[in-house]
Amino acid sequence: GQQLNQSPQSMFIQEGEDVSMNCTSSSIFNTWLWYKQDPGEGPVLLIALYKAGELTSNGRLTAQFGITRKDSFLNISASIPSDVGIYFCAGQWGTDKLIFGTGTRLQVFP
Amino acid sequence: ETGVTQSPTHLIKTRGQQVTLRCSSQSGHNTVSWYQQALGQGPQFIFQYYREEENGRGNFPPRFSGLQFPNYSSELNVNALELDDSALYLCASSLESGRAEQFFGPGTRLTVL
Repeated sequence: GQQLNQSPQSMFIQEGEDVSMNCTSSSIFNTWLWYKQDPGEGPVLLIALYKAGELTSNGRLTAQFGITRKDSFLNISASIPSDVGIYFCAGQWGTDKLIFGTGTRLQVFP
Repeated sequence: ETGVTQSPTHLIKTRGQQVTLRCSSQSGHNTVSWYQQALGQGPQFIFQYYREEENGRGNFPPRFSGLQFPNYSSELNVNALELDDSALYLCASSLESGRAEQFFGPGTRLTVL
């Protein structure tokens, strides 16, 4: 099935560092979402973006809807151990189904 | 406010058997979507139910079927199980059909032997 490309595939960082990840698509979307999934759990919605160029924050998380509408970015500032998990982007065109990315696995070391 | 719940948590079946997975949507949500998540992959859309009707389907064969009940809870049925059906099955609910914001349950881990 179709999946969006996320990079990097995995990240190993030290506690306190900032994190950047992105998501790209060959198609345009009019909504971008970012989810976090812990092992054995379902994805949890972090941020939703609705307009090209939009920048939205949720605590230490900031996400941007790319100008081309084909990409989105997620930044985490001052990472902490509970940030560990897999981060997924998802895009929607119109009222269609969500298309998910391949995921970025984040590991935070003390 | 009750979140999305799914049952069972884990299930082991053998090839050729049939399975039914259940989902209760978040209170106030009338739309339920089902996803299959293989190990190391993102969720793949199976289908969506809105007002008890199928409202969109992904690239899955007809042996994947579903139901939605008047209380908006839902079932996913898979017939003639194959080894490749082993995955985490996720249910997500949303306020209305077409809304991007979907809220996921914890999933059912299905293993087919």
